[in-house]
Amino acid sequence: DAGITQSPRHKVTETGTPVTLRCHQTENHRYMYWYRQDPGHGLRLIHYSYGVKDTDKGEVSDGYSVSRSKTEDFLLTLESATSSQTSVYFCAISATDSYEQYFGPGTRLTVT
Amino acid sequence: QQPVQSPQAVILREGEDAVINCSSSKALYSVHWYRQKHGEAPVFLMILLKGGEQKGHEKISASFNEKKQQSSLYLTASQLSYSGTYFCGTDIWGGATNKLIFGTGTLLAVQP
Repeated sequence: DAGITQSPRHKVTETGTPVTLRCHQTENHRYMYWYRQDPGHGLRLIHYSYGVKDTDKGEVSDGYSVSRSKTEDFLLTLESATSSQTSVYFCAISATDSYEQYFGPGTRLTVT
Repeated sequence: QQPVQSPQAVILREGEDAVINCSSSKALYSVHWYRQKHGEAPVFLMILLKGGEQKGHEKISASFNEKKQQSSLYLTASQLSYSGTYFCGTDIWGGATNKLIFGTGTLLAVQP
């Protein structure tokens, strides 16, 4: 299995509070992605990274920011969490010479 | 831009066959198929590239009609282990980032 972890695995937070989710990989893969998964919507790309400090927006980036200061870590920040951001968040990684994305175990976030 | 998958759900008996379809309104560079079991992360099944090349880990077949912007996943002689939600991911940009737009998923349940 690809070495990819997410933390925390579960989080409950209140509306208006900032939240940061962490994705950590030990594979030295160049590409990293953040998705959210909601019933009826499948997986939707929030942001992705193609290298250290190189990031770009995905389909549903409003309300989210990301940072990647090291190859192994990709952080997703909700500056001011809203109930619509209640979801399961998946991080994924992909190597330069591969089409396969390896997904982390997911983080279940509940915003009350 | 999100591809449309059909059917939304299918129930099979062991040994029966199923076809899952994925249709895009955009021209595609490639189509990727993933399977997600309940409570787990999605897992890569295969990729179909323009020009007919296919790469995958499992004995599951698929087709890619570039002109119609469609792909189909064929599950033959289904086993209990095939149960899960199947997602197609479409690459409408090309390039090396492997950025995908996923469909909403097809739930497959295989019964004894």
